Amino acid sequence: GEDVEQSLFLSVREGDSSVINCTYTDSSSTYLYWYKQEPGAGLQLLTYIFSNMDMKQDQRLTVLLNKKDKHLSLRIADTQTGDSAIYFCAESIMDTGRRALTFGSGTRLQVQP
Amino acid sequence: GAVVSQHPSRVICKSGTSVKIECRSLDFQATTMFWYRQFPKQSLMLMATSNEGSKATYEQGVEKDKFLINHASLTLSTLTVTSAHPEDSSFYICSARGGVEVNQPQHFGDGTRLSIL
Repeated sequence: GEDVEQSLFLSVREGDSSVINCTYTDSSSTYLYWYKQEPGAGLQLLTYIFSNMDMKQDQRLTVLLNKKDKHLSLRIADTQTGDSAIYFCAESIMDTGRRALTFGSGTRLQVQP
Repeated sequence: GAVVSQHPSRVICKSGTSVKIECRSLDFQATTMFWYRQFPKQSLMLMATSNEGSKATYEQGVEKDKFLINHASLTLSTLTVTSAHPEDSSFYICSARGGVEVNQPQHFGDGTRLSIL
């Protein structure tokens, strides 16, 4: 079965870089996603990476994928107070149309001024 | 970008009431919609998957007679919590995926906080 794990909490100072880590178990994952959830809101898709890529950068966000170790990370450069939220990684496995995403438990990022 | 609208955002009602939650894709056709439930400080748990024009597929442990899902069009899915009780209080979130490719990103609504008194 599939399992996605994340650390629960990360605290950084404004202006520093944040790195949120995620591990997954299913080697057949084809896409991996990062979502952001602010209090009382739904999930906002931040970025996603295909499993044959090692890195993807989009403005302040950098995603690194180590497929051998099944490790995914999200780096946020120049972290701002508005980045405070819960960040979920999720994997999607090539399967029938019934398959949804499997989410990690979420990492709460706290940015201190 | 793709927008998913979910209504209502918050519901408070008495035990025994049935509550309907709507999920609409505003600028794309959603061939598949998903309903999730999220408990405080926990991750999202998939409840069911619905494809337009067909019956929803429920995850193990989710009562299909309790949580009625209708996906009558490519832009609208509804979740009805029938005869709701306090244990049904939770945050319900829908997502929508366009196209037939299973790895197309899912776009989420803002969620509905349901409180049953």
